[in-house]
Amino acid sequence: RKEVEQDPGPFNVPEGATVAFNCTYSNSASQSFFWYRQDCRKEPKLLMSVYSSGNEDGRFTAQLNRASQYISLLIRDSKLSDSATYLCVVNMGDSSYKLIFGSGTRLLVRP
Amino acid sequence: DTGVSQDPRHKITKRGQNVTFRCDPISEHNRLYWYRQTLGQGPEFLTYFQNEAQLEKSRLLSDRFSAERPKGSFSTLEIQRTEQGDSAMYLCASSSQYEQYFGPGTRLTVT
Repeated sequence: RKEVEQDPGPFNVPEGATVAFNCTYSNSASQSFFWYRQDCRKEPKLLMSVYSSGNEDGRFTAQLNRASQYISLLIRDSKLSDSATYLCVVNMGDSSYKLIFGSGTRLLVRP
Repeated sequence: DTGVSQDPRHKITKRGQNVTFRCDPISEHNRLYWYRQTLGQGPEFLTYFQNEAQLEKSRLLSDRFSAERPKGSFSTLEIQRTEQGDSAMYLCASSSQYEQYFGPGTRLTVT
């Protein structure tokens, strides 16, 4: 079983749609949770950290359920520029803080 | 630009040659990480430094790989006797605590 599992997609949605991505992780000791965005052949860029209480940044909302070891990302009012791969990321829960990545969910927003 | 930088951005080499990559982290970050990413996968942890000390190495890092971070500033990753399976994007990230910021990566192609 992979340590971080995501639906690979692709999710193909029209502009303006709301889309949700889900992710599960296996290491109950993980302490920090993130969503990164990666454009084709570019580096991952931090989209947002995910907090236990849930957090929102503009059109993006992230939720964390520690009991179920489940993380979600909701994108409202999708823009063409949101087309990218979204990586669910957790840290190892040890002193290294090294990151464990899911394989990513690909989003295509069409006009 | 005060982000993470990597050099070179692209490297094509013949099997059996040695290659060296450089990473310059964000200046105030004491932690530096190397990851490797292959097509369709999320990045995988290779090694990390806290200041100049290399504190952890993944089992992915065979004896042909070596990394250094002299004086706790820039880091180098060397691959000796490259193999076709080493072809990947090599990403460097730096952090001061939990959030890691990635450089643009070095794309290695071994022919």
